Amino acid sequence: GAGVSQTPSNKVTEKGKYVELRCDPISGHTALYWYRQSLGQGPEFLIYFQGTGAADDSGLPNDRFFAVRPEGSVSTLKIQRTERGDSAVYLCASSPRGGSYNEQFFGPGTRLTVL
Amino acid sequence: AQKVTQAQTEISVVEKEDVTLDCVYETRDTTYYLFWYKQPPSGELVFLIRRNSFDEQNEISGRYSWNFQKSTSSFNFTITASQVVDSAVYFCALTQAGTASKLTFGTGTRLQVTL
Repeated sequence: GAGVSQTPSNKVTEKGKYVELRCDPISGHTALYWYRQSLGQGPEFLIYFQGTGAADDSGLPNDRFFAVRPEGSVSTLKIQRTERGDSAVYLCASSPRGGSYNEQFFGPGTRLTVL
Repeated sequence: AQKVTQAQTEISVVEKEDVTLDCVYETRDTTYYLFWYKQPPSGELVFLIRRNSFDEQNEISGRYSWNFQKSTSSFNFTITASQVVDSAVYFCALTQAGTASKLTFGTGTRLQVTL
């Protein structure tokens, strides 16, 4: 079956602009996660959705970052007033259900470059 | 706070050599889960193994084996008879038990296997 998909694969924007990154989880997966991976680092947690609601948004760095999952499937990560420090690969993962034990299936990521 | 340390930044081996990737973790929780993920050049993280904190039995899966030692807070990963296709970045990760299912990753170890 289809895995997690993310669009776009690459996004180049200018400092101060607004961007949206999309994640399509595996069908039927209720848990969805966003991570950010900077060069040479491991992924860092941003936010976790269980269904439509954000169960844990403790990793969002500031109020310029926001994510939604209105119908419990597709999710959009929104970044306002982008800064050069936001440049990274944004990874999405999904899991059949929430909970620490469950394997997370990762997408290929969106590489965001802020000029 | 949770922390995962992968002290080896990069390892180079010749094909057919055995290689061990080290992982040391810190957590105050008594129940937790440990994971290894592989990130090939394509960028998509691939799940390899999961272990819970109550199960210290070592595991072997084909050429892969894992050594979990709670006494030293280590969860090391060994590849036997390495192959060029094993070249990737390998991440160790940790979650606490319960509904908080965000992964805390180490910084990764880049494995380069050459002919």
